[in-house]
Amino acid sequence: DAGVTQSPTHLIKTRGQQVTLRCSPKSGHDTVSWYQQALGQGPQFIFQYYEEEERQRGNFPDRFSGHQFPNYSSELNVNALLLGDSALYLCASSLAQNYGYTFGSGTRLTVV
Amino acid sequence: KQEVTQIPAALSVPEGENLVLNCSFTDSAIYNLQWFRQDPGKGLTSLLLIQSSQREQTSGRLNASLDKSSGRSTLYIAASQPGDSATYLCAVRVSGAGSYQLTFGKGTKLSVIP
Repeated sequence: DAGVTQSPTHLIKTRGQQVTLRCSPKSGHDTVSWYQQALGQGPQFIFQYYEEEERQRGNFPDRFSGHQFPNYSSELNVNALLLGDSALYLCASSLAQNYGYTFGSGTRLTVV
Repeated sequence: KQEVTQIPAALSVPEGENLVLNCSFTDSAIYNLQWFRQDPGKGLTSLLLIQSSQREQTSGRLNASLDKSSGRSTLYIAASQPGDSATYLCAVRVSGAGSYQLTFGKGTKLSVIP
């Protein structure tokens, strides 16, 4: 049973560019959340998608946007990249309110 | 605003020791609490999930307890092994309509010395 799959694993972008990260949830899960983890810090919540709608958003600027597809997979888009956007981006999926979250291995984004 | 604190930030123990990791949170109105393990540069592996109505959960050598009223959780690791070396993260989900995010602590970095 495949867990949460994220792609790519590593990415290097130039300041000002745009990036798209992808996530496939664990089989049977219908909810996808995105987190940003800076070095030495705990993950910070970006947003969560359910039924193709953003249903909760954390304290991140509008440069961060997302999408969920009918097959429950999701994309995270970041525009106008800043050096401070360099981080590990984690995707998490879940099924029902009583279940915990399953995380992927993350995408390491480096902005130069 | 929920805040999660983990103490200590780092811990080094000899192999075979039993150890306790601590997690505290400021808002006791939580839905559940989850403990994760993270290896360097990797994603999060879920260890234990405790619902707000539960007092503890056990999995193998791991036992997690929850005291909602005092805003505390502990992760007990028995007979530690070098393979347990990793960063351990505690995360809480606040209860309430429209609240789905996890709030994480900064983690405790554990080193088990052979």
